[in-house]
Amino acid sequence: EVQLVEVGGGLFQPGGSLRLSCVASGFTFSNYWMHWVRQAPGKGLVWVARIHGDGSNTQYADSVKGRFTISRDNARNRLYLQMSRLRVEDTAVYYCARSLRGRFDPWGQGTLVTVAS
Amino acid sequence: SYVLTQPPSVSVAPGKTAKITCGGNNIGSKGVHWYQQKPGQAPVLVIYYDGDRPSGIPERFSGSNSGNTATLTISRVEAGDEADYYCQVWDNGSDHPYVFGTGTKVTVL
Repeated sequence: EVQLVEVGGGLFQPGGSLRLSCVASGFTFSNYWMHWVRQAPGKGLVWVARIHGDGSNTQYADSVKGRFTISRDNARNRLYLQMSRLRVEDTAVYYCARSLRGRFDPWGQGTLVTVAS
Repeated sequence: SYVLTQPPSVSVAPGKTAKITCGGNNIGSKGVHWYQQKPGQAPVLVIYYDGDRPSGIPERFSGSNSGNTATLTISRVEAGDEADYYCQVWDNGSDHPYVFGTGTKVTVL
């Protein structure tokens, strides 16, 4: 069974940092682009970042460029999102997702990041 | 960046048909994907590339795409179809390669 499990959410202060992790299982992790997508409370889905299967290519949404870093460890089947210079507006559920030809499938269950003082 | 517009809400009686639209400039030239998200759960892909269904998704879910509007159709609606639905497109050469629609809440009366 293909599965993605995110960990690392919690309550953080503005200006702070954290790292989210996503553990993948059930598929050849290195063959796929992987992504982070977030959803603010009561709001819609917003794409955050993506990384190529071999880690050679990354891309970010303008709202997080320069503050967030996506990375992966293919030996451990893990995807990461290093988040720094946190803002209140970064508060959201963060999902990791696998993509194939532009569609996201599957998604992890999500982890809530709350940025507040 | 590219904008996808959905109606905020659609209401439908059990057994009837729900149609959810997704408007975008010349969206008919792009592949559209649809996701279902139930409260407190992660999104689930229900339609990809306009009208294909992943395994496990009922045939009641179908999609079409032409001109400036893509449509997700849910036939013989059931109570379990009550959820938020999002459309999404992919533009690989763009600075904003993945765009989601604004989302539609489907309420089963």
